[in-house]
Amino acid sequence: GAVVSQHPSWVICKSGTSVKIECRSLDFQATTMFWYRQFPKQSLMLMATSNEGSKATYEQGVEKDKFLINHASLTLSTLTVTSAHPEDSSFYICSVHPRAVGGYTFGSGTRLTVV
Amino acid sequence: GIQVEQSPPDLILQEGANSTLRCNFSDSVNNLQWFHQNPWGQLINLFYIPSGTKQNGRLSATTVATERYSLLYISSSQTTDSGVYFCAVGSGGGADGLTFGKGTHLIIQP
Repeated sequence: GAVVSQHPSWVICKSGTSVKIECRSLDFQATTMFWYRQFPKQSLMLMATSNEGSKATYEQGVEKDKFLINHASLTLSTLTVTSAHPEDSSFYICSVHPRAVGGYTFGSGTRLTVV
Repeated sequence: GIQVEQSPPDLILQEGANSTLRCNFSDSVNNLQWFHQNPWGQLINLFYIPSGTKQNGRLSATTVATERYSLLYISSSQTTDSGVYFCAVGSGGGADGLTFGKGTHLIIQP
């Protein structure tokens, strides 16, 4: 099945700085990747859909200028949290949909803590 | 968008017990998955089951698409089964991402 690698697994940053999270599809060329966010003790919510070679589409309520998504190749999408604040502290996880295997495959997630 | 409701929200059982988790969804779907989220946050895919019945060891799942619900069965529970179980659905054929339910928090006591 598809393998998705996400890096880093966890990161602590100071308020006001930016953090980049990488999502790599190791054995599958993904024209589309998905980014989710999970606050403590809550469910996962789709934030945005990353499209290779074009602009990402964001879900309602997600600030596109704060969460910059770049999908420059078929195997890599990056999410940059700009000017991070403590309320951005969350678990961020990416996903792909390799049609051959059915269903969506998820990365291992990135736990972001902003202090 | 599609609404997903999971029940029960919390479940505490003794080791060896059986359990049934339910997922109701509000519209037709072409993707339904059950996940187990471990303490480190990783989502373990249990079943891809938009319809029908599947079994994998002590776990099995059934989706009745026409009635818009899915069930996850866990038999002979073990303490390692503890965690949060999510049902997630999609209708975009892989183009739209998944909508997750709020999850069932399962605690298996020794």
